[in-house]
Amino acid sequence: DAKTTQPNSMESNEEEPVHLPCNHSTISGTDYIHWYRQLPSQGPEYVIHGLTSNVNNRMASLAIAEDRKSSTLILHRATLRDAAVYYCIPPKTGANNLFFGTGTRLTVIP
Amino acid sequence: NAGVTQTPKFQVLKTGQSMTLQCAQDMNHEYMSWYRQDPGMGLRLIHYSVGAGITDQGEVPNGYNVSRSTTEDFPLRLLSAAPSQTSVYFCASSFFDPGGVTEAFFGQGTRLTVV
Repeated sequence: DAKTTQPNSMESNEEEPVHLPCNHSTISGTDYIHWYRQLPSQGPEYVIHGLTSNVNNRMASLAIAEDRKSSTLILHRATLRDAAVYYCIPPKTGANNLFFGTGTRLTVIP
Repeated sequence: NAGVTQTPKFQVLKTGQSMTLQCAQDMNHEYMSWYRQDPGMGLRLIHYSVGAGITDQGEVPNGYNVSRSTTEDFPLRLLSAAPSQTSVYFCASSFFDPGGVTEAFFGQGTRLTVV
């Protein structure tokens, strides 16, 4: 199974961009890279996913390295509401199961 | 739409008691799953179902039973609660996608304490 490595924690000032890195050097060629986040005392929520090229949606952007061994979740302007644990999840190919690591705890400083 | 609804939100059990955690979704999702989250850790998969009548084990299935009689409901049963089952439990649902592209929706969680 693909494994991921993320920093335990990161800090950002409010209204500044945040780049959250993830290494997934063992990912297979057909595994999508998913990002979820978990706000305090809530269930995880989907943020974004991608396969090979960069992806954008209303919440964030996902930059995927050309060799697919790493990716970066980009929050363009961090708000206090973005303080959460961010999980980089490469799902097993052919399944809906999500394998969560410990993620990156993002602290947003006012 | 209510999304994924879990009940109860909080529960305290005595060791050896049994209970059922309820999970319901109104999005007509084929796939449903249960996770547990221990303090400071990520979520771990307990059981999952790809449709009514079909269930399978995840990473940490011991001590838990599931069944799926309808598309909407996926209850998790603890037959004999143990302190090691103290955790926050999350239910999730999604469209079944073998390609692994689908988005999962999570409930708000059930905080269970076994004393």
